[in-house]
Amino acid sequence: LAKTTQPISMDSYEGQEVNITCSHNNIATNDYITWYQQFPSQGPRFIIQGYKTKVTNEVASLFIPADRKSSTLSLPRVSLSDTAVYYCLVGDPAGGTSYGKLTFGQGTILTVHP
Amino acid sequence: DAGVIQSPRHEVTEMGQEVTLRCKPISGHDYLFWYRQTMMRGLELLIYFNNNVPIDDSGMPEDRFSAKMPNASFSTLKIQPSEPRDSAVYFCASSLRGVRGYTFGSGTRLTVV
Repeated sequence: LAKTTQPISMDSYEGQEVNITCSHNNIATNDYITWYQQFPSQGPRFIIQGYKTKVTNEVASLFIPADRKSSTLSLPRVSLSDTAVYYCLVGDPAGGTSYGKLTFGQGTILTVHP
Repeated sequence: DAGVIQSPRHEVTEMGQEVTLRCKPISGHDYLFWYRQTMMRGLELLIYFNNNVPIDDSGMPEDRFSAKMPNASFSTLKIQPSEPRDSAVYFCASSLRGVRGYTFGSGTRLTVV
């Protein structure tokens, strides 16, 4: 299973763009990168998933370089409600041997200030 | 769909008592996961099922913990006997192979006194 490393915490201000980078040097060929968001007293929530290059949805963008050894979650114009823990996970969504054993690391605590 | 439903939301019990946590996954999902979250250890995978069959229970901390999935729409996590160190938030999640991400329930906050 690919191990992921991300910053423990980040601070930002309302209206700014936030980029959270995750490194996953041992990512396997079939692995995708998935990001989750967790608010206090709630379960993690799926944000975005990608394999390579760039993926964008209504919430965030995910940038993945060609070597796929890292990825960056980009949150445009954050608000106070984006304060949460963000987790980066790597695994095979098609049900490979790593599918059921995705591990959540410490995540990145993002604090958005007024 | 109502999402993954867990019950109870909160449970306070005395040490030595049996505790049963319940989960109803999203209809049609073929994977079900039980996680435990504490400040010290973060989110830990306890056990997961595929098509109601336990696949990996290596994360279950002790024999006091057991999990069952009698059918595709129901799973239980049981702790017997419970201990104060079992106090945590227990999450159930379900997913569909090949489709994005896991969907988590709101969790059960367990306090063992």
